[in-house]
Amino acid sequence: DIQMTQPLSILSASVGDRVTITCRASQNIGNWLAWYQQKPGKAPKLLISEASRLESGVPSRFRGSGSGTDFTLTISSLQPDDFATYYCQQYDNYSLTFGGGTKVDIK
Amino acid sequence: QVQFVESGGGVVQTGTSLKISCSASGLDFSNYGMSWVRQAPGKGLEWVAFISFEGTTTYYADYVEGRFIISRDNSKNLLYLQMNSLRLEDTAVYFCAGDTLGGQGTLVAVSS
Repeated sequence: DIQMTQPLSILSASVGDRVTITCRASQNIGNWLAWYQQKPGKAPKLLISEASRLESGVPSRFRGSGSGTDFTLTISSLQPDDFATYYCQQYDNYSLTFGGGTKVDIK
Repeated sequence: QVQFVESGGGVVQTGTSLKISCSASGLDFSNYGMSWVRQAPGKGLEWVAFISFEGTTTYYADYVEGRFIISRDNSKNLLYLQMNSLRLEDTAVYFCAGDTLGGQGTLVAVSS
């Protein structure tokens, strides 16, 4: 199975900060990577697919980058609505795997 | 836009069975491999099972192998998960997925 690692489980930040969340795959997955935002009691919301394609309706302050094994989700200017947990997910292989999540909380 | 509507969850006792469903729209369902993914309370997301686009090939995570059966009806754009011999640790919200998640999930709660 492909392992997905998000090194930071918690990231403390302030409104207006530029936030970078990283994700590493245990093998080359090309661009087959998605990012989700999840708030307590809610389903994960798809933000980005194919590593950098912004989903419809997602604010442009979210940006995905990377390919192969190293990926990044950047929030250019953190807004109050952005405090949540973020997951990466690979879909290069039928056995979909997810990172452990990075919780962005208030500094 | 791809959308999934999961249904059929509920509260069941250990050792019993339950079948959940997923209605898919916004994708060429009959040409897509599909999966079930779950999230236990307070935990991360884990893959459960996969079925090929034509339904002839299936794969399962070790923790459900032999107990769960994934199936599909391409004429109705429906995905199913038959869950047998349910355990307390199967308690989770279950999501269906193509390449990615796209629904609200359905809660399966197993009690003793």
